[in-house]
Amino acid sequence: IAGITQAPTSQILAAGRRMTLRCTQDMRHNAMYWYRQDLGLGLRLIHYSNTAGTTGKGEVPDGYSVSRANTDDFPLTLASAVPSQTSVYFCASSATWGGTEAFFGQGTRLTVV
Amino acid sequence: GIQVEQSPPDLILQEGANSTLRCNFSDSVNNLQWFHQNPWGQLINLFYIPSGTKQNGRLSATTVATERYSLLYISSSQTTDSGVYFCAVERGNEKLTFGTGTRLTIIP
Repeated sequence: IAGITQAPTSQILAAGRRMTLRCTQDMRHNAMYWYRQDLGLGLRLIHYSNTAGTTGKGEVPDGYSVSRANTDDFPLTLASAVPSQTSVYFCASSATWGGTEAFFGQGTRLTVV
Repeated sequence: GIQVEQSPPDLILQEGANSTLRCNFSDSVNNLQWFHQNPWGQLINLFYIPSGTKQNGRLSATTVATERYSLLYISSSQTTDSGVYFCAVERGNEKLTFGTGTRLTIIP
């Protein structure tokens, strides 16, 4: 079934450790996104990629980095995790970078202790 | 950036009731989507509706782009409709911006 796959589903991470959240889509979508969801704050954009080889910063990019080496994969890296990065992370994709329907993965629940 | 406001923030209904959820946005948009986040946290696409009206079973949505609002109608509510409903909009080169959601609870 076509869609977006995120891994891991959940993770408990010690503060200061490095962590990469994986995201893969098989819909050949050009645009991909990372959001975090926190209670009472809705979903906020961390980073995005309009097409393979390009990335951009969203609303809350600090402490996170991304890469887009190919169309299918868009990993999100926390270089040195802090407790404020405890959140649910969603990866999404859309056919193009503006005005097309976005589809979301199942989410990764990350707890930094 | 664009502002997205959803109302009401919380809604509790008896099974079988109808409901209307509202999304107001502060500027013209080229994309508007409604999502249902189920109790397991999954975000389910309901409608891609930058303008006009669409229907899917018991759910329908209307976006009046010129007046900057969208409505989601749920008829004959079922307990499986419970969860949080999000409206999200996109304007120009800006990425999808979410409202803070409406939490719907359907009581048997």
